[in-house]
Amino acid sequence: EPEVTQTPSHQVTQMGQEVILRCVPISNHLYFYWYRQILGQKVEFLVSFYNNEISEKSEIFDDQFSVERPDGSNFTLKIRSTKLEDSAMYFCASMSGLGGANTGELFFGEGSRLTVL
Amino acid sequence: GQSLEQPSEVTAVEGAIVQINCTYQTSGFYGLSWYQQHDGGAPTFLSYNALDGLEETGRFSSFLSRSDSYGYLLLQELQMKDSASYFCAPLSGGYNKLIFGAGTRLAVHP
Repeated sequence: EPEVTQTPSHQVTQMGQEVILRCVPISNHLYFYWYRQILGQKVEFLVSFYNNEISEKSEIFDDQFSVERPDGSNFTLKIRSTKLEDSAMYFCASMSGLGGANTGELFFGEGSRLTVL
Repeated sequence: GQSLEQPSEVTAVEGAIVQINCTYQTSGFYGLSWYQQHDGGAPTFLSYNALDGLEETGRFSSFLSRSDSYGYLLLQELQMKDSASYFCAPLSGGYNKLIFGAGTRLAVHP
């Protein structure tokens, strides 16, 4: 069964360092997302990506964040200068959208746990 | 703006039935999704209602009333493995954006 894969599963970094989280969405999906979940809290929307550009972003997704789909398969989230409060689980997700269908079904990866020291 | 309300915690015994309610306020509403998340895991899709009424998928059913901006998830014949957090998530916007509620933590006891 197709799945969303994320790497790394866990990354530890020093405050101020740049981090890139990688995702391979399901191959024929059209919509891509990044969410984050601080331990014990809700799943927060960061950004959605469609047709090779950002379609929506939340207030959390400020200038230190960026996303790219560099090669038609990978979908990356870059955090330019990490802060302690960026420590969270980051989930990538994709949605089919084929034929214009809205199914409400996001396929999530297993997440990348980021720890900022 | 957008708002979502669902109970923070629910407790039930094995074999029982539980209903988790969700009220929402969002613009450009398409439908309401429900997700399950076990501790340490990723959210997994349970159901989606685009139209008013009840959708049944095995032991789980989901209901939507657009006019009331209200939905619920009904879990029947509860099992211990159903202990998890459950999130309602309205689908909205032009690009299929899902915003998750704070979640309802369900604890199933023997």
